[in-house]
Amino acid sequence: SYELTQPPSVSVSPGQTARITCSADALPKQYAYWYQQKPGQAPVLVIYRDSGRPSGIPERFSGSRSGTTVTLTISGVQAEDEADYYCQSADSSGIWVFGGGTKLTV
Amino acid sequence: ELQLVESGGGLVQPGGSLRLSCPASGFIFSDYWMHWVRQAPGKGLEWLSRITYDGSRTTYAVSVRGRLTISRDNAKNTLYLQMNSLRAEDTAVYYCAREASGKGNWYFDLWGRGTLVTVSS
Repeated sequence: SYELTQPPSVSVSPGQTARITCSADALPKQYAYWYQQKPGQAPVLVIYRDSGRPSGIPERFSGSRSGTTVTLTISGVQAEDEADYYCQSADSSGIWVFGGGTKLTV
Repeated sequence: ELQLVESGGGLVQPGGSLRLSCPASGFIFSDYWMHWVRQAPGKGLEWLSRITYDGSRTTYAVSVRGRLTISRDNAKNTLYLQMNSLRAEDTAVYYCAREASGKGNWYFDLWGRGTLVTVSS
């Protein structure tokens, strides 16, 4: 199996840009996905297929990939963006995996 | 309304068993692959298991293989997780989650609110 590695924490001031990375020795050929989770709540998808943004997710959320690293970027961070963020992917055998999560502090 | 509602959690002794249920509503349950995900207190998300739309195939995380069994009853629109030989480290909130439809869409588009399982003597 493989692991997805995220920084444990990222801290930014309101209005700044937050970047959260997710990397693996061999990120699967499948896409990566990003979830936002606030305390006591279930996760919410914020980015799909590396860079797609679901309807209802603010435009300040974006995703990108460079090789085996995917990045979630939140531009113009707002206080309401403070949450835990998880990347997720899957391999061809049907094993899914989450990154360890990144706590975003605003 | 689209809904997944987990139940069956609670306090169980080490070595014990528990069966979680997750009835679904608001969508055609039998059209979707389903999963279980857990989150230990203060920890990250951990994927556990996946079952195909018809229950014919299942996949498990290495960490729980042999102790957890995922199943479904499409006639009852319900997903299950049978957990045996429980350990303290199985203490977590257990979520059921729906896999998004469409080829290559390997993400969760619907989550339940979770049910807490506490393994302690």
